[in-house]
Amino acid sequence: DIQMTQSPSSLSASVGDRVTITCRSSQTIDNFLNWYQQKPGKAPKLLIYAVSNLQSGVPSRFRGGGSATDFTLTITNLQPEDFATYYCQQGYSTPLYTFGQGTKLEIK
Amino acid sequence: QVQLVESGGGAAQPGGSLRLSCVASGFSFRTYGFHWVRQAPGKGLEWVAFISDDSNKEYYEDSVKGRFSVSRDNSKNTLYLQMDGLRSEDTALYFCARDSGYDSRNFDYWGQGTLVSVSS
Repeated sequence: DIQMTQSPSSLSASVGDRVTITCRSSQTIDNFLNWYQQKPGKAPKLLIYAVSNLQSGVPSRFRGGGSATDFTLTITNLQPEDFATYYCQQGYSTPLYTFGQGTKLEIK
Repeated sequence: QVQLVESGGGAAQPGGSLRLSCVASGFSFRTYGFHWVRQAPGKGLEWVAFISDDSNKEYYEDSVKGRFSVSRDNSKNTLYLQMDGLRSEDTALYFCARDSGYDSRNFDYWGQGTLVSVSS
């Protein structure tokens, strides 16, 4: 099984800050790396697919990058609505997808 | 617009059964594979099961193999998860999610979830 490890597990930041979340896979997953945002009591929402492609309607302050086993989600100019939990997900071992453990982004 | 609506959750005793449903609308249901994903209280997301568009392929997370069964009725635009032999560790919010396809390999649409609680 492919393991996904996110860091940090939690992060405190202020409105207007820039933050970066890292996701590492236990083996190469090519570009099959996706990011989701989840707010309390809600379903996850697809933010970025195939490493760096923004899902329709997602603001350009979200940016994904990386390759092979190391990937990042960067959010610039944090907005109040961005405080949520973020998950990475690998699609390499389709359809047995796995998620990272999540990164909770909190307001400082 | 794409909509997925789960139902069927509730309370069950250890060893009991529940059947979850997910009704889809706003797209061609029969052309997509679907997943069930769960989230235990205060925990992260865990993939549970997948069924292909034509029902020919099913996959399960190891801890639910032999206890859960995924199925679908393309004439009713409905996905199911039959959960037997329930355990306390199955307590979670269960989401159905659409598979975006082989090229993208992600969950592009999700339902709102249905809560399953297993306790004596």
